[in-house]
Amino acid sequence: KAGVTQTPRYLIKTRGQQVTLSCSPISGHRSVSWYQQTPGQGLQFLFEYFSETQRNKGNFPGRFSGRQFSNSRSEMNVSTLELGDSALYLCASSLGLRRGSGNEQFFGPGTRLTVL
Amino acid sequence: QKEVEQDPGPLSVPEGAIVSLNCTYSNSAFQYFMWYRQYSRKGPELLMYTYSSGNKEDGRFTAQVDKSSKYISLFIRDSQPSDSATYLCAGSVIAGGTSYGKLTFGQGTILTVHP
Repeated sequence: KAGVTQTPRYLIKTRGQQVTLSCSPISGHRSVSWYQQTPGQGLQFLFEYFSETQRNKGNFPGRFSGRQFSNSRSEMNVSTLELGDSALYLCASSLGLRRGSGNEQFFGPGTRLTVL
Repeated sequence: QKEVEQDPGPLSVPEGAIVSLNCTYSNSAFQYFMWYRQYSRKGPELLMYTYSSGNKEDGRFTAQVDKSSKYISLFIRDSQPSDSATYLCAGSVIAGGTSYGKLTFGQGTILTVHP
């Protein structure tokens, strides 16, 4: 079974630009969560999508947005990039069940974004 | 105060040693606990997934959860140089409301196993 894939793997942007990152979940998984990882703050939850609906959102500004398509693939967009947005952006997929086993999250390799 | 606290280390041990990694958490609503391993420039890899209190063993890895003291541990037996990585603990509540899809992570412990 193929794992979670993310594209692109590396990105370099300048301040003020916008960027779109893509995530393809494990086949059969309907939930996609996005995280930002930085040396200072660690892994922080951005938002989660399930069946094309955002079910949960972390404490990030509105410049961070996302969407999910009918095939469960998800995209994350960051507008008006700031230097502090430089980070590893990770997505994770799961079955998205309300409770119980089978709700484990499996991570992709991440997209490393550098903002100059 | 962070919801999940983890000593960042670094921790250095000789090959074959038993490694103990620990986290404390403050959110009493956490029901699920996970340990991930992350190699440099890679995404986190799920090692252990446990529900509520108790022990779970998988090969050389044992995860323990003590909800009464809000303490979670990962033990690695017969550690190998290939175990050198950052280990992340995480907790989550039963999904619902504002908890869907959200894992809360510790800062990670950097482990080096030297031959």
